[in-house]
Amino acid sequence: DADVTQTPRNRITKTGKRIMLECSQTKGHDRMYWYRQDPGLGLRLIYYSFDVKDINKGEISDGYSVSRQAQAKFSLSLESAIPNQTALYFCATAGGSPYEQYFGPGTRLTVT
Amino acid sequence: AQKVTQAQTEISVVEKEDVTLDCVYETRDTTYYLFWYKQPPSGELVFLIRRNSFDEQNEISGRYSWNFQKSTSSFNFTITASQVVDSAVYFCALSEAALGQKVTFGTGTKLQVIP
Repeated sequence: DADVTQTPRNRITKTGKRIMLECSQTKGHDRMYWYRQDPGLGLRLIYYSFDVKDINKGEISDGYSVSRQAQAKFSLSLESAIPNQTALYFCATAGGSPYEQYFGPGTRLTVT
Repeated sequence: AQKVTQAQTEISVVEKEDVTLDCVYETRDTTYYLFWYKQPPSGELVFLIRRNSFDEQNEISGRYSWNFQKSTSSFNFTITASQVVDSAVYFCALSEAALGQKVTFGTGTKLQVIP
């Protein structure tokens, strides 16, 4: 079984809808991240969490919110989706030292 | 602020050729970590290597090698005798110890290996 899972894997939604992307991990890592990937822009950090009580904004947090329900779960919400939030979203985890991150398979989100 | 530049947007090579992917980074920290990730056409992100700022030894893993040079702030990745399966987008990334585990990624280099 995969160590980092994301649901759903693909989602098409309409402008204005609320949507939640979920991430779960079995690696026992304390650090979790949400990124979005757009062509030509690489991966950009949306939010990150160093433990259940610690949530931090990344470089592009506007329009997004997160919830760290447990050490193993980190959800990303789009309160009112807009078309320019169409992207590939990745969840990642990291723990201890050294600091490499392990990524989930990604969620392809399309906002029409 | 930390920054990673991958100036090569796309590279095409013929199978069996060697290819080097460039990565230049900026950081004010003396303790930092550099990474390379591979994203094949299937979309997942695969960790390839990590280097810390105190270890400038080059590393070789099979056909892959990495050249870390602090003097030029570069962490270049070379694939020897490229294969079609090497076709992917490759990302270089940087993490400063002072920022915890906040990682900055480059924009990626798309490598196409032509049979």
